[in-house]
Amino acid sequence: QSVLTQPPSASGTPGQRVTISCSGSNSNIGRNIVNWYQQLPGTAPKLLIYGNFERPSGVPDRFSGSKSGTSASLAISGLQSDDEADYYCAAWDDSLNGWMFGGGTKLTVL
Amino acid sequence: QVQLVQSGAEVKKPGASVKVSCKTSGYTFTNFGISWVRQAPGQGLEWMGWINTYNDKTNYAQNLQGRLTMTTDTSTSTAYLELRSLRSDDTAVYYCARDTLTTRPKWFDPWGQGTLVTVSS
Repeated sequence: QSVLTQPPSASGTPGQRVTISCSGSNSNIGRNIVNWYQQLPGTAPKLLIYGNFERPSGVPDRFSGSKSGTSASLAISGLQSDDEADYYCAAWDDSLNGWMFGGGTKLTVL
Repeated sequence: QVQLVQSGAEVKKPGASVKVSCKTSGYTFTNFGISWVRQAPGQGLEWMGWINTYNDKTNYAQNLQGRLTMTTDTSTSTAYLELRSLRSDDTAVYYCARDTLTTRPKWFDPWGQGTLVTVSS
C-alpha cells in the first residue's frame, strides 16, 4: 500500500482530456514538491513534470501539473495513442525521510 | 548528452549479494547525486536510497537499511548499489537516476535503462 494514492487506471479517447489524481498528506505533498514520471511499456521512467507544474524541455504542453494542499493532479489534453503508459507521482516525505511514489496509474487510450 | 548506463542482468541465489553499476557521462559526476529505485515485476516504483557523489553521504530507505550499500568511483563517474542477503522479493528491475547533490528534494532526471536482478534457487 503506497503512501501516495493514485487511481490504478484511467482511460480516454483520442483528443480527450484526462486527469490523474495523487493524494498524500501533510508530511509529503503538503510540504514538498510533487513530480510526475511517465513509464512507457518496457522502458525506464522518464521525468514528465517537476516542481508541481514545470515541464522539462521536450515535454509537450499537453501535459500539465497542479497541486493544492495535500493533493496533486496530472492533466493530459489532446490525448494521443502514444500517451498510453503508466504514470507515477512522487513526493519527499519528511516523516519517513525518503521519496514516496504513488502506486501508479495505467492510462489506456481507447 | 547526459547518460546513465547500467550493468547487465543478474541471477542470484537467495542469501547471496548483488552489485549493480551505473556509469554516467555528459555531466560533472560530483555535481549531482544518484538515487536508486526498484520495480518488482508488475509493481510500482520503490525508492531505495540516495548517495551524495561529492562526499559519499548516503540516505537509505528504512526497510533496506542493514542490507544496502551505495558507493561511487569518481575516477570513472560510476555509482554502485550492493544489496546483500537477497530474498525472492528482491527480484526487480533496479534503476539509477540522477538526483540533487543537496538534501533538499528535487527530482530524478534522467534514469538509467534498468538492471533486472532475479533471485531464485
